[in-house]
Amino acid sequence: GDSVTQMEGPVTLSEEAFLTINCTYTATGYPSLFWYVQYPGEGLQLLLKATKADDKGSNKGFEATYRKETTSFHLEKGSVQVSDSAVYFCALREGYQKVTFGIGTKLQVIP
Amino acid sequence: GAVVSQHPSWVICKSGTSVKIECRSLDFQATTMFWYRQFPKQSLMLMATSNEGSKATYEQGVEKDKFLINHASLTLSTLTVTSAHPEDSSFYICSADRQGNYGYTFGSGTRLTVV
Repeated sequence: GDSVTQMEGPVTLSEEAFLTINCTYTATGYPSLFWYVQYPGEGLQLLLKATKADDKGSNKGFEATYRKETTSFHLEKGSVQVSDSAVYFCALREGYQKVTFGIGTKLQVIP
Repeated sequence: GAVVSQHPSWVICKSGTSVKIECRSLDFQATTMFWYRQFPKQSLMLMATSNEGSKATYEQGVEKDKFLINHASLTLSTLTVTSAHPEDSSFYICSADRQGNYGYTFGSGTRLTVV
C-alpha cells in the first residue's frame, strides 16, 4: 500500500536558518503530493502541493519539488521565522483515494 | 477558498456520556467527508469515510457502534462518540473532499477530553 516516510524531528533551528524536511513515498501509481502545516491547537492547513513529476509547489517561502526518480518531496525554506514553528506533514493521494500522511515533523524556530 | 467548519473546538465530558462533533463545508458541497483521529505526537489516523446518503466506511479496528457517523446532507457530517471513556480522549479532525486534484480541506479539529 501507499506510505509516506518523513523525518520525525523535532527540528530546532535559529531564525533565518535554512530548512529542509525530508519526505519520501511509496505508491503504486502516480500520486499527488502535499505538505500540510499544523499550528499548535489547530487543524491542518494545506501548505503546498504538486500533482505530477517535476512540479514545484510553493507557498509562503516554502518549496517542494516532486521527484519521481527518487520518490521524494522534500520541503525547503531559505530563511525560517519564529512564526513557522509548527508540525509539518507530508502526504500523498492517488486519484480520489484517501490521503496518506507521514508521521509529522515538529519544527521549532528560536529567535 | 474552501472552508470546513468543525464544532466544537474542544469538549470535556464525563465517562459514559456521548459527544457529537459536527463538520460542515461552508462554501462547497462535499459528497465525501473523512474523520481522523490524532494521538499526541503521532500522525493522523483515518477512522472512517463518510458518504452523503449512505453508510460510512470504517477503517479496520475502528468500532462502528462506538463512533457513529451521519452524513445527512452535502454540507454536514457528524461524528458521535458514544459511551465515551478516557481512552477516547484525543484530537479529532474532519476533512471534506473538494472535487478535483486537491488535498482535502480540513476542519480546525476537536479536542475531546473524557474524565
